[in-house]
Amino acid sequence: GIQVEQSPPDLILQEGANSTLRCNFSDSVNNLQWFHQNPWGQLINLFYIPSGTKQNGRLSATTVATERYSLLYISSSQTTDSGVYFCAVEQNSGGYQKVTFGTGTKLQVIP
Amino acid sequence: AAGVIQSPRHLIKEKRETATLKCYPIPRHDTVYWYQQGPGQDPQFLISFYEKMQSDKGSIPDRFSAQQFSDYHSELNMSSLELGDSALYFCASSLNSAIGNTIYFGEGSWLTVV
Repeated sequence: GIQVEQSPPDLILQEGANSTLRCNFSDSVNNLQWFHQNPWGQLINLFYIPSGTKQNGRLSATTVATERYSLLYISSSQTTDSGVYFCAVEQNSGGYQKVTFGTGTKLQVIP
Repeated sequence: AAGVIQSPRHLIKEKRETATLKCYPIPRHDTVYWYQQGPGQDPQFLISFYEKMQSDKGSIPDRFSAQQFSDYHSELNMSSLELGDSALYFCASSLNSAIGNTIYFGEGSWLTVV
């Protein structure tokens, strides 16, 4: 099956710093999502981004589908950004959609 | 807009008991997916249904079963519970799975086995 690797696995930032999270995938995909999992376990969708670049406030994402990677940029980080960030890719598998999650990046933003 | 609804949000069971989780997809969505996320792990695919038929199967234990009903809601039944079944269980839904529409996730159900 498809492999979805995220880097770095862990990241500690000073409040106000910028960061880039990376998601590499081993096969072509139909769609890609970035999630923030908060301390209560909720998966908060940040972006649906099969290709191109999107921005939402301090967050932006870029997916280069031909090179099989996506980047999530966090600018001016805040303590509320702490949590685990997952990318999840969607593929058509045997005629049906399937979602595979990446390994996650655990982010801690310290005051 | 309506989202994917999961119930219960929290459940505590003893070993060897049975638990049932329910998922109500977004209206008009015909496909449901179940995922299991253990502590410190990424969500792992368990099983999916399209138009009430099983469409794909992942790492679902034989002690677990699931189905999708005529109103498209789904239930995940877990029997002979083990401590290792303690996890966050996500349900997701989409429309017309075969043509690649976006998949939306519920808020999850926490299962604790003691």
